[in-house]
Amino acid sequence: NAGVTQTPKFRILKIGQSMTLQCTQDMNHNYMYWYRQDPGMGLKLIYYSVGAGITDKGEVPNGYNVSRSTTEDFPLRLELAAPSQTSVYFCASSKDDRGNGNTIYFGEGSWLTVV
Amino acid sequence: GESVGLHLPTLSVQEGDNSIINCAYSNSASDYFIWYKQESGKGPQFIIDIRSNMDKRQGQRVTVLLNKTVKHLSLQIAATQPGDSAVYFCAEGVIYNQGGKLIFGQGTELSVKP
Repeated sequence: NAGVTQTPKFRILKIGQSMTLQCTQDMNHNYMYWYRQDPGMGLKLIYYSVGAGITDKGEVPNGYNVSRSTTEDFPLRLELAAPSQTSVYFCASSKDDRGNGNTIYFGEGSWLTVV
Repeated sequence: GESVGLHLPTLSVQEGDNSIINCAYSNSASDYFIWYKQESGKGPQFIIDIRSNMDKRQGQRVTVLLNKTVKHLSLQIAATQPGDSAVYFCAEGVIYNQGGKLIFGQGTELSVKP
């Protein structure tokens, strides 16, 4: 059981470049999330999705876009990378709408540096 | 605004001692609280949760205490081991909030000395 899989693990981008962080889960979870984590800080929600075709903004959505064409996949796109987007990105998923913590599964993280 | 924060950014304990990690929250509508452990280079790992209709919950070597009067949450780790060294985050949420979104605190780094 792979759980939540993110790619790439590490990436260096130049300012103004675009890229997509891929996230897939094989647990048939309806809910998926993208968080970012800055050094020494907690996670902040960028975008989330409650099901295929439905996405919504979290706390820090500016500079990002998402799509949810399938239940399994929830890619995060950076259109014009900025140094402020240097961070660690975590994708997560959960199986119900009650925010039950022990059903929120996190990926291993994607380290992104914008130079 | 709403926030979840930790009182201590770092905590160093001796192996075998008990550890207490504290957290303050400000959103009185939050009814669900979770502690996560994050090891270096990995994603957050669920430890224990508690709902607002409880003031204490115990797991294996861990206990979470919730004081709604002062909006305070704590994680107690008994007989701390070197494998407990990690960053610990508290997170708050509303159980029936669509999407189950969580707000995370800053984190406390726990260092266990052998």
